[in-house]
Amino acid sequence: GENVEQHPSTLSVQEGDSAVIKCTYSDSASNYFPWYKQELGKGPQLIIDIRSNVGEKKDQRIAVTLNKTAKHFSLHITETQPEDSAVYFCAASIYQFYFGTGTSLTVIP
Amino acid sequence: ETGVTQSPTHLIKTRGQQVTLRCSSQSGHNTVSWYQQALGQGPQFIFQYYREEENGRGNFPPRFSGLQFPNYSSELNVNALELDDSALYLCASSLGGDRDHEQYFGPGTRLTVT
Repeated sequence: GENVEQHPSTLSVQEGDSAVIKCTYSDSASNYFPWYKQELGKGPQLIIDIRSNVGEKKDQRIAVTLNKTAKHFSLHITETQPEDSAVYFCAASIYQFYFGTGTSLTVIP
Repeated sequence: ETGVTQSPTHLIKTRGQQVTLRCSSQSGHNTVSWYQQALGQGPQFIFQYYREEENGRGNFPPRFSGLQFPNYSSELNVNALELDDSALYLCASSLGGDRDHEQYFGPGTRLTVT
């Protein structure tokens, strides 16, 4: 089955700096790659997604890039704010969603 | 906030007991997926229901079973509870039975097995 690896597991940045989280996947047939933000005590919230026929997608301060050849995709958050602090999960979808192990992002004011 | 709701919020059960968790999908969504999230891990796919039929299953034993009702709400049943079943159980609703549709998660049910 699909294997999704996510790095780093923890990330601390100063407010206003950028944060980058990277994921790799193993099955080239995966065709949908969502990113979720999970705050303490809450369910994951979909923040952005990308499909395999697109290389990049941006939504305000958040962007995702996909490299199908290398089988990796990344989440970029610019101008980080304290409310961006949360655990972020990537996922790859082929017949089911496979999630990474999460990145705990802390934005220091 | 999504329109996905789950009940109960927290639950404590004893090993060997049975539990039923409930999920109401977002308005207009006909598909519900269930996930188990152990502490510090990403969600793991249990199964999906599309139009009241099971539409895919992850690597979970048969004591994990489910139902979807005509209004697209869903139940997750777990029999013969084990200590390792302690986790956050999440349901996610989506439109359509394909795996590449956006899934919106509920807040989860925290199950503790003692």
